[in-house]
Amino acid sequence: GAVVSQHPSRVICKSGTSVKIECRSLDFQATTMFWYRQFPKQSLMLMATSNEGSKATYEQGVEKDKFLINHASLTLSTLTVTSAHPEDSSFYICSARDWPGEHYGYTFGSGTRLTVV
Amino acid sequence: QQQVKQSPQSLIVQKGGISIINCAYENTAFDYFPWYQQFPGKGPALLIAIRPDVSEKKEGRFTISFNKSAKQFSLHIMDSQPGDSATYFCAASILQKGSARQLTFGSGTQLTVLP
Repeated sequence: GAVVSQHPSRVICKSGTSVKIECRSLDFQATTMFWYRQFPKQSLMLMATSNEGSKATYEQGVEKDKFLINHASLTLSTLTVTSAHPEDSSFYICSARDWPGEHYGYTFGSGTRLTVV
Repeated sequence: QQQVKQSPQSLIVQKGGISIINCAYENTAFDYFPWYQQFPGKGPALLIAIRPDVSEKKEGRFTISFNKSAKQFSLHIMDSQPGDSATYFCAASILQKGSARQLTFGSGTQLTVLP
């Protein structure tokens, strides 16, 4: 089945530094990837939609200069949290659409726990 | 606004019992309704999904019931096991060839299956 690899699974960084999270589709080409943020005991909040070779589309209220998204190839999208602050601490999850594929599923990565100290 | 409303927020079931989680949607253009299971510290994993051309889909102990006229769908977990204890999310999307639309998620249900 479709597999999405997300790395790192956990990262702790100092306030003011930048952190990059990678999301790779391992066995399929993902023209579109999605980035979510999830707070404890809450649902997934879509941050942005990443299209290969073009600029990401950010949801309302998401700072594009803080959350830089790059989707340079059909199998890799990255999210860079710039000048991270403690309030950016959260669980970040990527997802890729398996298209064309034998099923219509959106496959999710395993998530990245970001802690900013 | 495209919304998917999910209930209950939390559910406690005895081992062997039936767990039922309900969702309702507003956008009649939605044509793909998946359920995801999420364990703490992990990403969501697709459990089962249904298209609106069928009223029920069963995979093992998991069944989706779909009521198009009522714009509702539900997940039934038969013979619930402690290992099923997780957070369950319903979702909806519009499938469009050549374009990937985002999923709209429900608020989630924390299921606890007691041994």
